[in-house]
Amino acid sequence: SQQGEEDPQALSIQEGENATMNCSYKTSINNLQWYRQNSGRGLVHLILIRSNEREKHSGRLRVTLDTSKKSSSLLITASRAADTASYFCATVGTYKYIFGTGTRLKVLA
Amino acid sequence: DGGITQSPKYLFRKEGQNVTLSCEQNLNHDAMYWYRQDPGQGLRLIYYSQIVNDFQKGDIAEGYSVSREKKESFPLTVTSAQKNPTAFYLCASSMYRDKGAANYGYTFGSGTRLTVV
Repeated sequence: SQQGEEDPQALSIQEGENATMNCSYKTSINNLQWYRQNSGRGLVHLILIRSNEREKHSGRLRVTLDTSKKSSSLLITASRAADTASYFCATVGTYKYIFGTGTRLKVLA
Repeated sequence: DGGITQSPKYLFRKEGQNVTLSCEQNLNHDAMYWYRQDPGQGLRLIYYSQIVNDFQKGDIAEGYSVSREKKESFPLTVTSAQKNPTAFYLCASSMYRDKGAANYGYTFGSGTRLTVV
């Protein structure tokens, strides 16, 4: 099965609400990255958190990493309609990236 | 502007036909990658190249071929041996190779949607 598994598979929220999505993985990692993909487009790198970090912020994004539970979460605060996209985690070992199946986020205006 | 350009955006292939997807980058990145994306699945690595004139198979290389004659270009050929080629194909690059690539993330192109007709 995939190294990274996102949860939930799909999420629908109202504009202004917070969105939380989770990623679980199986083996040890060097770092974990989150990407966004708008429909029919390529992926855009959002944020990278290293294995020795517990939390990282970038604008309205907050990422946490719990290596003991082999899980990460991505929080998008004060969501906007433009945040509607699929979000993928990528776990990175020595140098190989493994992408999860993604969370489809829909933000309703 | 620097970036990765994939072409064409849409491609239709007849049964038994080989087709080539283009990927060009002007970021001066060392490493380039090809991924396949199917609905409801994550990205799966087809081939990658860390340096000119060298490339390695990824997890699903059967039915595909690549070349890396120039640093800027990494075309992917989908051969007739690929039995289920309909998918969204993504090209990516990273500034560094190996462990360096792990620390800086990938830059992706906009993708090519391939459909068998």
